[in-house]
Amino acid sequence: ETGVTQTPRHLVMGMTNKKSLKCEQHLGHNAMYWYKQSAKKPLELMFVYSLEERVENNSVPSRFSPECPNSSHLFLHLHTLQPEDSALYLCASSQGTFTSTDTQYFGPGTRLTVL
Amino acid sequence: AQKVTQAQTEISVVEKEDVTLDCVYETRDTTYYLFWYKQPPSGELVFLIRRNSFDEQNEISGRYSWNFQKSTSSFNFTITASQVVDSAVYFCALSAGGNQGGKLIFGQGTELSVKP
Repeated sequence: ETGVTQTPRHLVMGMTNKKSLKCEQHLGHNAMYWYKQSAKKPLELMFVYSLEERVENNSVPSRFSPECPNSSHLFLHLHTLQPEDSALYLCASSQGTFTSTDTQYFGPGTRLTVL
Repeated sequence: AQKVTQAQTEISVVEKEDVTLDCVYETRDTTYYLFWYKQPPSGELVFLIRRNSFDEQNEISGRYSWNFQKSTSSFNFTITASQVVDSAVYFCALSAGGNQGGKLIFGQGTELSVKP
């Protein structure tokens, strides 16, 4: 299943670097999501875009900056991260908008390590 | 408050054994959806099932079956005749409902190890 792709799959960065994570969905969906998965913690919803408009920002620090240029692409721009930001970052998409309960389909994730 | 609890952190079984993964949820909504996802070592969450609160029929898909009981707020997942390829972390999730239906509340996950 290659409905949702993410690049890069692995990323190591220093605290002063700037990098971006990319997500692309090939399913024609209207909503896209960023999740953070830290060790021993449940998945945490970070951002939601519905019809290219940000509809949810779950108290995420400003060092994480999302961008959704169109309904198929979602970026997460990273700058001046902390070691505790090391985690698996998962992208997902769903058919409907954020108000619906459509199934979310996930990408393979980007394993981020902040040194 | 909405919450999903997967009390079993890790389960280890031998191939061909049956195994049940527990999921208990809390919500005040009368309309809600429950999900199960599988996360193999590769990292991707693979969708397994979606069930709405008005459909309490049990579901079977091959070796997988799900038991939804509103009376106990549980949505348990059973794998029959487990295989090594079933080794993964399994997540139960609840949709937030209302105008945030797309928000999923995940449990902590259960790591299943199936040994040959």
